[in-house]
Amino acid sequence: KNQVEQSPQSLIILEGKNCTLQCNYTVSPFSNLRWYKQDTGRGPVSLTIMTFSENTKSNGRYTATLDADTKQSSLHITASQLSDSASYICVVSAGYQKVTFGTGTKLQVIP
Amino acid sequence: DTAVSQTPKYLVTQMGNDKSIKCEQNLGHDTMYWYKQDSKKFLKIMFSYNNKELIINETVPNRFSPKSPDKAHLNLHINSLELGDSAVYFCASSGGRSGEQYFGPGTRLTVT
Repeated sequence: KNQVEQSPQSLIILEGKNCTLQCNYTVSPFSNLRWYKQDTGRGPVSLTIMTFSENTKSNGRYTATLDADTKQSSLHITASQLSDSASYICVVSAGYQKVTFGTGTKLQVIP
Repeated sequence: DTAVSQTPKYLVTQMGNDKSIKCEQNLGHDTMYWYKQDSKKFLKIMFSYNNKELIINETVPNRFSPKSPDKAHLNLHINSLELGDSAVYFCASSGGRSGEQYFGPGTRLTVT
């Protein structure tokens, strides 16, 4: 069964600090992995997308890594800002139209 | 310009009623989706249409019926609403090689 598990479920950090969110998946065959950011009351917005051959991708202060061997991904946020407070969702595709969503990590950045 | 739009943004209705949620995308994408996000914030796919044809139909009560009049629109009609239908419903579209999905702002449905 295709599954995507994220940890931690929730996280509180001080503004300016770094943090790392984890994603473990059992999706097969693997096509790509995306990280989405979902602000409260809004739809998810794509941050990064990685295919099998890519092991790191950056988007500003967000850096995603992928280890296809261990089926793990992480999202590292550098120098966090209050606007980073959101839910972060890991999404793994097993080919066309077969998408599995993780349950998300809720991040709260406090001043 | 709004890429994926949904109406209404909020919908409050009583049990047993029938309601529709509309979705439109101006990205020229071939594929559109409906997702349900429950109180635990878990996103679950309900339907997917490609070029107006249904290609994914997850285990959803047949009270839910999607309709795609053209590639740019995918509406969701819900009959005989139940309390458990209360959730946020997201429309999304995708196209191109990456298949990245673009989500609408969501419709918060509350059934009383």
